This record gives sequence, structure tokens and C-alpha cells, in this order.
Amino acid sequence: SQQGEEDPQALSIQEGENATMNCSYKTSINNLQWYRQNSGRGLVHLILIRSNEREKHSGRLRVTLDTSKKSSSLLITASRAADTASYFCATFTNAGKSTFGDGTTLTVKP
Amino acid sequence: GAVVSQHPSRVICKSGTSVKIECRSLDFQATTMFWYRQFPKQSLMLMATSNEGSKATYEQGVEKDKFLINHASLTLSTLTVTSAHPEDSSFYICSALAGTSGSTDTQYFGPGTRLTVL
Repeated sequence: SQQGEEDPQALSIQEGENATMNCSYKTSINNLQWYRQNSGRGLVHLILIRSNEREKHSGRLRVTLDTSKKSSSLLITASRAADTASYFCATFTNAGKSTFGDGTTLTVKP
Repeated sequence: GAVVSQHPSRVICKSGTSVKIECRSLDFQATTMFWYRQFPKQSLMLMATSNEGSKATYEQGVEKDKFLINHASLTLSTLTVTSAHPEDSSFYICSALAGTSGSTDTQYFGPGTRLTVL
């Protein structure tokens, strides 16, 4: 069963607003990664955050990791219509095993 | 960034036939590749870990004889769906690990292969 849970399942916002997605997990991890997927397409890697890191930035993306709560969040600032996609978090154990969350479907209205 | 390709991108076959899907890392060597399947509007389910030069490691519930994996070189892994049936219809995605430090490396994903079994 998937250990990653994401919320919300679906998020609809206006262009220019910020979008926040959350991910929770259950076991110890080595790192957590966020991906986006456009409908029917492959995954695009967005950002990797290691278990000893608390926050990372990449352009309009900000990722936080709280290992005590076993949760992570992805913030997309100043959203654009092109950000419309599904976003997945994936956790990686020390053994390299990955588990994907259920995903959040983001719709950014122009 | 690193590029991973999959071929074919889409395949339709009759029930009972076998289908081979290729996953290639185009500009880097990948000792480890992964195969996932994804049902509509669902997340990715890891099927197996493919290691160059050794047998693949399958996740619980994945039939080894049904989903044959071969990782013959550092840039190519293949997944063969044997005697495919309609329930095997799905989106199959591969990924490749860039680098050599194991789980801390980034996985780069292929564009996926849509398999439809009639």
C-alpha cells in the first residue's frame, strides 16, 4: 500500500495565487522528492530534499520537510496556467526503495 | 538535465501476445532503473528494481514470470509483458538513477508507455 498521502487531492486556484500541497509519510526516509506529471505523460523531477534538510528553494518552488511530523510541503508561488498538472511526492529509504504519494491535481485558472 | 526515453510510447496488442518496452538513459549511465505502472488517476506503483548485470528485484505481488525485466547494459532496461491480458492495460513508466550514491540520487523518468490489450 502507498505510504505517501497527499492533500489536498485537488486544488483549483487563480493565476498569480500561491499553491500549497502537503505530503505525509510513515517510515524513515533518506530523502523526499517532488515530481509533476502532465496528463498522460511521464514525470518531471522538481526538487529533492534530504532528511537532514528542512527547506529548499528552486525558482518559484519552496519545499519544506519536517521529519518529526513525517511531512513535507510544496509551495508554488505566483502560479501560472502552465503549472496545471498533478504533483506527486515520493519518499526514498536508505535502501533506495521509493514510495509515491497519491498526488495532488492542481488547476490554475487564467 | 538527464534524459530517459521509452519505446514505444503507445502499443495496442491482442490478448495473449507479448510486448517489450525499452527504457534508455540517453546521456548518462544508470546501474539502477525502476519500472512502475500507473492506473488512470492513480499514483505510481513500483513494480521492480532493475540492476545492470543482475536479476531484477520485484515488489510483492508482482509476477516475475509475467513481467520479465532485463538490464543488459548501463543504458538499457527492458520490460516484457508476457501473454498480455486486458487487465495488464496500463501506463508503464521507467526511471533511471543518475549518479552512484544510491538512494540520494535523483530518479529521472521516461515519458511512459501506454499499453492497451484488446
